[in-house]
Amino acid sequence: DTAVSQTPKYLVTQMGNDKSIKCEQNLGHDTMYWYKQDSKKFLKIMFSYNNKELIINETVPNRFSPKSPDKAHLNLHINSLELGDSAVYFCASSQGSGGGGYGYTFGSGTRLTVV
Amino acid sequence: DQQVKQNSPSLSVQEGRISILNCDYTNSMFDYFLWYKKYPAEGPTFLISISSIKDKNEDGRFTVFLNKSAKHLSLHIVPSQPGDSAVYFCAASASTGTYKYIFGTGTRLKVLA
Repeated sequence: DTAVSQTPKYLVTQMGNDKSIKCEQNLGHDTMYWYKQDSKKFLKIMFSYNNKELIINETVPNRFSPKSPDKAHLNLHINSLELGDSAVYFCASSQGSGGGGYGYTFGSGTRLTVV
Repeated sequence: DQQVKQNSPSLSVQEGRISILNCDYTNSMFDYFLWYKKYPAEGPTFLISISSIKDKNEDGRFTVFLNKSAKHLSLHIVPSQPGDSAVYFCAASASTGTYKYIFGTGTRLKVLA
């Protein structure tokens, strides 16, 4: 019974396409996140939602748009994909509003390859 | 501007010996620290945490030490086992301001049988 599940696991697409990655958590957590792990292995936060409200929006191109229909789901839509968007995208969730003593539970990642 | 740094990209240790993974941070507002373990093709999994009111936290074979004055923390694994081979990330957050964890770039640990 997966706690944080994201789909798809792998995504290969052409430049200029629009794609979405979905994430769902069944832990009852209040906060969900999208992190990007680039080729240098940096894990960088992109967005955070607390109870469907956007609370963190890092410096991310506006081609990336998160959507949280309810607190158990946080999807990531990417428009006009570019080669530099190739990375592994991780969804995560936590209790509370993030940080502090609450650790994150991560999904298994979506490897996006833009060709 | 990398606020959390893991300067050793990789580490090899013999099975049964101690593994020491290091992490440095620059932001003095950080007061919670986590260690995560990551296997290939999986998401990071939470390992152990420490808050700034402590200087040590132990959980089985894993101990995290925090030196606030040096802005340094370390993860000790004793004894190391082949199943510990993974990438280890440290992460830090501040309980004031926007709550988020900043991750280091990871250290790949290989435990040799």
